[in-house]
Amino acid sequence: DIQMTQSPSSLSASVGDRVTITCRASQSISTSLNWYQQKPGKAPKLLIYAAFSLQIGVPSRFSGSGSGTDFTLTISSLQPEDFATYYCQQSYITPFTFGGGTKVEIK
Amino acid sequence: EVQLVESGGGLVQPGGSLRLSCAASGFTLRSYWMHWVRQAPGKGLVWVSRINGDGSSTYYADSVKGRCTISRDNAKNTLYLQMNSLRAEDTAVYYCARDWTAGGTFRGDYWGQGSLVTVSS
Repeated sequence: DIQMTQSPSSLSASVGDRVTITCRASQSISTSLNWYQQKPGKAPKLLIYAAFSLQIGVPSRFSGSGSGTDFTLTISSLQPEDFATYYCQQSYITPFTFGGGTKVEIK
Repeated sequence: EVQLVESGGGLVQPGGSLRLSCAASGFTLRSYWMHWVRQAPGKGLVWVSRINGDGSSTYYADSVKGRCTISRDNAKNTLYLQMNSLRAEDTAVYYCARDWTAGGTFRGDYWGQGSLVTVSS
């Protein structure tokens, strides 16, 4: 199975900050990488697919980059509604695997 | 409006069985691969299973293989997950998710609200 490792596991940031979350795959997955946002008690929401494509309806402050084994999710200016947990997920091969999550908290 | 609504969760004893349902509306279910993903309390997301549009192709995570069966009834717009020989480690919120890729490579664009399964004596 492909292991997905996210870092950091949590971070504290202020509104307006630029936030970067990284995700590393245990083997090359090309650009088969998705990012989700999950708020407490809610289902995950797809933000970014295929490493850098913004899902319809997602604000442009979210962006993704990377290929191969190293990927990044960036929030250019953190907004109050962005405090949540973020997960990466590889869609390269079954079983599809998720990273352990990054909790973004208010500083 | 696309909606996915899970049901069937609850408390079950170890070794017991449960069938989860996911009722779909607002889209043509048979046109989409569908997946189940679970999340243990306070933990991360874990992919469980997938099924293609006509139900002819399925795949399972090793952790549930042989104990769970994914199926669908497109006429009833419903996805199912039959879970047998349940263990404490199966305790989780189970989400159904729609996959908008043509090949079932899982981009979950719509998710249900989740159904809690608790395995305990």
